[in-house]
Amino acid sequence: GAGVSQSPSNKVTEKGKDVELRCDPISGHTALYWYRQSLGQGLEFLIYFQGNSAPDKSGLPSDRFSAERTGGSVSTLTIQRTQQEDSAVYLCASSQVVGQGYGANVLTFGAGSRLTVL
Amino acid sequence: AQSVTQLDSQVPVFEEAPVELRCNYSSSVSVYLFWYVQYPNQGLQLLLKYLSGSTLVKGINGFEAEFNKSQTSFHLRKPSVHISDTAEYFCALGRAAGNKLTFGGGTRVLVKP
Repeated sequence: GAGVSQSPSNKVTEKGKDVELRCDPISGHTALYWYRQSLGQGLEFLIYFQGNSAPDKSGLPSDRFSAERTGGSVSTLTIQRTQQEDSAVYLCASSQVVGQGYGANVLTFGAGSRLTVL
Repeated sequence: AQSVTQLDSQVPVFEEAPVELRCNYSSSVSVYLFWYVQYPNQGLQLLLKYLSGSTLVKGINGFEAEFNKSQTSFHLRKPSVHISDTAEYFCALGRAAGNKLTFGGGTRVLVKP
């Protein structure tokens, strides 16, 4: 597609329920990122996928969080047994990989999925 | 470890006045630096980036930033702001050997008429 698409745009759930957030990256972008933006906070890195390499999961805050990327395209972020502190905007981004190394990637972000845990 | 500090959480500014958003970073290796902007209810979009070469970088919408290695800074400037520049601005750092970007806490700019 023309941009990074995320769904749902808003999700309200009860504490203890599981949620799934979906990201559809730009076609041809091999790198995919998930970030979390909490109220008044910056962006917190969660996970990074690059092609067929093992994902960098170093930012996942607990084992309740997991993500997968199927067929090198769509990604799903799953939060199990949601807690109130999980309330945030979850941002997905994708990028092409440039020659200077992954740190030079320009990320294209989706509009985010706003999660509210009651 | 690397980190990014945005020194101002909020910056109110009058329309047509200049604005400077401060960003300092900490890294033991060479870095790439970015400024992203987030308009209300939208995702982030790239304003400008420094990868190498000239330390003065020009971006979209009249913004520019200067990379200062000795002061480990990458401040963003615009000589004359518009109401439409009201947004949150994020400074970010990447490393050649790394993959993820490290973001600062953001600076919220409110342009007043």
